[in-house]
Amino acid sequence: SQQGEEDPQALSIQEGENATMNCSYKTSINNLQWYRQNSGRGLVHLILIRSNEREKHSGRLRVTLDTSKKSSSLLITASRAADTASYFCATDASGAGSYQLTFGKGTKLSVIP
Amino acid sequence: NAGVMQNPRHLVRRRGQEARLRCSPMKGHSHVYWYRQLPEEGLKFMVYLQKENIIDESGMPKERFSAEFPKEGPSILRIQQVVRGDSAAYFCASSPLQGEAFFGQGTRLTVV
Repeated sequence: SQQGEEDPQALSIQEGENATMNCSYKTSINNLQWYRQNSGRGLVHLILIRSNEREKHSGRLRVTLDTSKKSSSLLITASRAADTASYFCATDASGAGSYQLTFGKGTKLSVIP
Repeated sequence: NAGVMQNPRHLVRRRGQEARLRCSPMKGHSHVYWYRQLPEEGLKFMVYLQKENIIDESGMPKERFSAEFPKEGPSILRIQQVVRGDSAAYFCASSPLQGEAFFGQGTRLTVV
């Protein structure tokens, strides 16, 4: 499997529920980023967590990073129909700084009104 | 500060033609990256450029593909003699050194 692999592949929840997506990776990283992509659109940067951080919040988003398990999770609280999108994690494993992000295949989230 | 600008948004080419995709990075960003996304897939790294330099092209096919980021003007991803398998969304991203990468809206290339 490739670096930055998301789980589950698809997730369907009711509006108001929380959504949790997981990401696993293989090599040491400098940072891990989460992106959202609406169908047929570009990527929107959500949050970056550095390898020395364990948790980060941004609005309704909460990201955790466990470098010992090489995994991260993205929690979206109180989901809305507008959160329907694909979510990708991307890892930067380069030694010289952020220049090559490795993406997983994404989790397709559907929030049902 | 405008975001990363890519054009065209959609491009249709016949097999054998050339495709030129343009990317203007965010103001103040000197690092540009190109990624390709096939349907239902994540993004795959192609090439990383700084002004007038290709830093890493390990993800770019050896033939028919080339990229440049001249001193003046946008970065260009060029695909010669396109084939059906080149149909994909091509995304450009830019960043300051060791910063967050911001993506453009992408160019959707369709080869007919």
